Amino acid sequence: KQEVTQIPAALSVPEGENLVLNCSFTDSAIYNLQWFRQDPGKGLTSLLLIQSSQREQTSGRLNASLDKSSGRSTLYIAASQPGDSATYLCAVTLIYNQGGKLIFGQGTELSVKP
Amino acid sequence: NAGVTQTPKFRVLKTGQSMTLLCAQDMNHEYMYWYRQDPGMGLRLIHYSVGEGTTAKGEVPDGYNVSRLKKQNFLLGLESAAPSQTSVYFCASSYITSGETSYEQYFGPGTRLTVT
Repeated sequence: KQEVTQIPAALSVPEGENLVLNCSFTDSAIYNLQWFRQDPGKGLTSLLLIQSSQREQTSGRLNASLDKSSGRSTLYIAASQPGDSATYLCAVTLIYNQGGKLIFGQGTELSVKP
Repeated sequence: NAGVTQTPKFRVLKTGQSMTLLCAQDMNHEYMYWYRQDPGMGLRLIHYSVGEGTTAKGEVPDGYNVSRLKKQNFLLGLESAAPSQTSVYFCASSYITSGETSYEQYFGPGTRLTVT
């Protein structure tokens, strides 16, 4: 059974710091991996999607990497800002599951202090 | 484009009452999903649909039913609500790109349901 783990569960950093969020998964037979952002009381916003054939994706100050063989992904946030404070979720799509169902990690709650 | 919308945004039910949550998407996506999010449990899939007229069970389907009569709508029903169904419910949809299946999922804003 696929399990997705995110470490740390919570992180507090001063503004301007570069930071890395970690995601690991137990089954390497994935179609893709998505990183989401969730603000308190809100829905999920897709940040980056990495297909299984890709190694990384970048969007602005965000860079996500994928190492399928080791079952790991990282989300790198450069020059963090207070507006980056949110919960970050990673999720994988299993290759043999019809319909592209997502398996989620528990999330990392990020707080960026001014 | 409105994207994925959900109604209602909030609802309080008494144990045993029934209700239907509506999800609508205007992106012509083939696949639609219902998740629930609970503290300490993360997001879990309830039911999903790979096309109009089709539905399938997810990880936690008990106590829920779904219907996909139109491609753009996916309904989640609670026939007899229980306190254990107090949760935040999210709907999502995803698409198939030409020549490659993407499965990138787009989420609605959620419905906060309390069952007393």
